[in-house]
Amino acid sequence: GNSVTQMEGPVTLSEEAFLTINCTYTATGYPSLFWYVQYPGEGLQLLLKATKADDKGSNKGFEATYRKETTSFHLEKGSVQVSDSAVYFCALSGSDSNYQLIWGAGTKLIIKP
Amino acid sequence: DAGITQSPRYKITETGRQVTLMCHQTWSHSYMFWYRQDLGHGLRLIYYSAAADITDKGEVPDGYVVSRSKTENFPLTLESATRSQTSVYFCASSESWVAGSYNEQFFGPGTRLTVL
Repeated sequence: GNSVTQMEGPVTLSEEAFLTINCTYTATGYPSLFWYVQYPGEGLQLLLKATKADDKGSNKGFEATYRKETTSFHLEKGSVQVSDSAVYFCALSGSDSNYQLIWGAGTKLIIKP
Repeated sequence: DAGITQSPRYKITETGRQVTLMCHQTWSHSYMFWYRQDLGHGLRLIYYSAAADITDKGEVPDGYVVSRSKTENFPLTLESATRSQTSVYFCASSESWVAGSYNEQFFGPGTRLTVL
């Protein structure tokens, strides 16, 4: 079946550091891939998406590229800020998902000033 | 206010009691979802609804009941609460759903439920 695996957290970085959060997936066909972000005390919100191989999603300085050959969708940001502290979820929507988004376990990111 | 709201935001109850969590959206989205969020499990789908009066089970439906008599409301009821149902519950909605395509889900702020 479909699945998403994220790197375990928490990830702790200093402000202005480079960020990578790894996400790999298992799915049949060509799923759509998403990153959602959850700020403290809030619900999840879509950060970026990619719907086909080699697509690059980007938003708020974050980027992720849909890599079919490595079944990955790693999240990157060149210079993180304290306000980026949150939990980040990778998810996929497969052709056989039957209304479900398949979620990774989430990665907590802590940015220190 | 436009958007998706949940109530209550926090709830403490006792084992065996019935609890209803409310979800309301103002967008007239067809699809609505209930998730629970637990450490180490990410989000798990409890129930979803494709339209008023159409609901179906997700990954972890046992112990929960839903209804959807109106498009904008999707209440979740724990018929007899258990400690294992202590969790954060999120409601979400989506305008449409096409398998394999982009289907953004919009989330409410969550309800933190504690069952003693």
